This record gives sequence, structure tokens and C-alpha cells, in this order.
Amino acid sequence: GAGVSQSPSNKVTEKGKDVELRCDPISGHTALYWYRQRLGQGLEFLIYFQGNSAPDKSGLPSDRFSAERTGESVSTLTIQRTQQEDSAVYLCASSLFSSGGARETQYFGPGTRLLVL
Amino acid sequence: AQSVTQLGSHVSVSEGALVLLRCNYSSSVPPYLFWYVQYPNQGLQLLLKYTSAATLVKGINGFEAEFKKSETSFHLTKPSAHMSDAAEYFCAVSAPMDTGRRALTFGSGTRLQVQP
Repeated sequence: GAGVSQSPSNKVTEKGKDVELRCDPISGHTALYWYRQRLGQGLEFLIYFQGNSAPDKSGLPSDRFSAERTGESVSTLTIQRTQQEDSAVYLCASSLFSSGGARETQYFGPGTRLLVL
Repeated sequence: AQSVTQLGSHVSVSEGALVLLRCNYSSSVPPYLFWYVQYPNQGLQLLLKYTSAATLVKGINGFEAEFKKSETSFHLTKPSAHMSDAAEYFCAVSAPMDTGRRALTFGSGTRLQVQP
């Protein structure tokens, strides 16, 4: 596609429910990232995929958070037993991969706005 | 670990005035640096990036930034603000190359208001 797409754009859920957020990266981008943006704050890194593997999961805040990527394309971020503090905008980004470090531009999707009641 | 500090969570300028958004970074090795812009209800869009070539980097929409190693700064400027520049601006630093990490560390953002 032309850009990174995410669905749903908005999600309202009740505390304790599980949610799945989807990301479709730019075609051909092997690197995929998930970030979280809480209200009035900058972005927090959650997880990075290179192909279908996740060499860096250091930003996942708890074991309630997990993510997978299939076919070097679509990624799903799952939050189990949601809590009110999980309310945030979840942003996905994708990029080409370069061996010279993280110099490649990360292209961001519009985000999924999650509200946990 | 690397970090980014953006001085001023809100900046207000008049249309036609100079825009200066401040960013200081902390990194153990020379980093790659990025400025992103976020318009309401949209994702982030890259304005410009520094990847150890020229220290003065020109980006889209008339913005530019200068990498100053001695000051650990990467301030964003634009000579003349337009109303359409009103948005939130984020400075970000890459992870050091030898860590193998790819995550960007973002500052907390600066909201730019442009007054007519």
C-alpha cells in the first residue's frame, strides 16, 4: 500500500477485556515497530520486528502485552486483561533495513486510539 | 542509555516570525537524530534527519536543523512561520549502532502555535 495502515482507528473496551490491534506496513519494509503514545507525552517504544522475528521486545510493559508478525507483513499487537493505564494511542511504523544502524526513516501509521473504561 | 530533552512543551510565535524548537540529546556515541511532525489525529511525518553527513540538515516545508556535537543539540528552525506549521513536533534519537537496537527514543514533544 501507499503507507502504513492501522485498524481499528478507535477502540473502546472495558477493563479486563482483551484487544487486538492490527498494523499493515509499507510493502517491502522488513522492519516493523510498535510504539505507545500516552496523552501529552512522547512515544514509548514497545517492540521491533525484523522479518517475522522480534529481536527487541524490551519496551513491552508487562506480560499482558504480546505481538506477532506473519508473512513479513501484517503485525498484531495484543493486550490481555486491559487496564485503564493501557489507554493510549498505539502507533505502528515500518522501515527498510540497513546494516549501518537505525538510520532508516521510520514511516508511521495514523495509530489506534485505545480507551479502556 | 540515550535520551532526548525538548525544552518548552508549548511555543507560540506570530505568523512570519522565526520558529526555534529546542532539542538536546544524550548518547554515548554520535547518534542519528530525527525531527517528526504530528498534525491532529494523524501519525508522525518525518521532517528531517541527521545521519552523520552534513551537520546542517534541510527538511520539508522550509525547516532545517543543525547538529552541534559540542552542545549535544539538534534544534529545529524555520525563518518564517506559516499558520499551517501549527502542530506537535518531536525530536528523536536512534539507539547506538553497537547495540543492534533499532528503536527511536523520543522527546516529550513541543506544541507549536502560530498566531495570525
